[in-house]
Amino acid sequence: KQEVTQIPAALSVPEGENLVLNCSFTDSAIYNLQWFRQDPGKGLTSLLLIQSSQREQTSGRLNASLDKSSGRSTLYIAASQPGDSATYLCATQRVQGAQKLVFGQGTRLTINP
Amino acid sequence: NAGVMQNPRHLVRRRGQEARLRCSPMKGHSHVYWYRQLPEEGLKFMVYLQKENIIDESGMPKERFSAEFPKEGPSILRIQQVVRGDSAAYFCASSPSAGNMNTEAFFGQGTRLTVV
Repeated sequence: KQEVTQIPAALSVPEGENLVLNCSFTDSAIYNLQWFRQDPGKGLTSLLLIQSSQREQTSGRLNASLDKSSGRSTLYIAASQPGDSATYLCATQRVQGAQKLVFGQGTRLTINP
Repeated sequence: NAGVMQNPRHLVRRRGQEARLRCSPMKGHSHVYWYRQLPEEGLKFMVYLQKENIIDESGMPKERFSAEFPKEGPSILRIQQVVRGDSAAYFCASSPSAGNMNTEAFFGQGTRLTVV
């Protein structure tokens, strides 16, 4: 059974800082790992998807890495802005039972102006 | 190309009533997934459907909950005789047709169910 853990549960940093969010998973037999953003009371916005054969993906100020062998992924946010405040979720799509995503609990990020 | 559409966005039901949540997948998508997010928790998988078929319902409670995805029309998640513990945000996701299981899922805005 896949378990996905995100640390820390909450993070508050001043504007302009670079920061790293962590995601770990117990079963390395995955097709991909996705990072999502969720604003309060809203749906999920896909940020980055990393295929199992890839090591990282970049989009603007976001960079996600994947180390399958150690069961870890990180989301790096450069030059943080107040608009980055949201909950960030990671989710894996396993090879077995591949249709469904297994989510972590999320990291609630607050960027202080 | 509209995204995944869910309605209603907010739904209030009294205990014992029925709740019907609708999801229209993205155009060209024939796979639909339902997830539930309880307050202060992550999203949990409930059920995976293709047109007219339930493929995986391992995450759905055995009683009171049912889901369908008919040949025509949206996917429906139905909760009978709702209880306060059913209060949650219910999200629908869709992905493209079969062949490649390694696909990105696109989520709707969710339906927030409140049971009073």
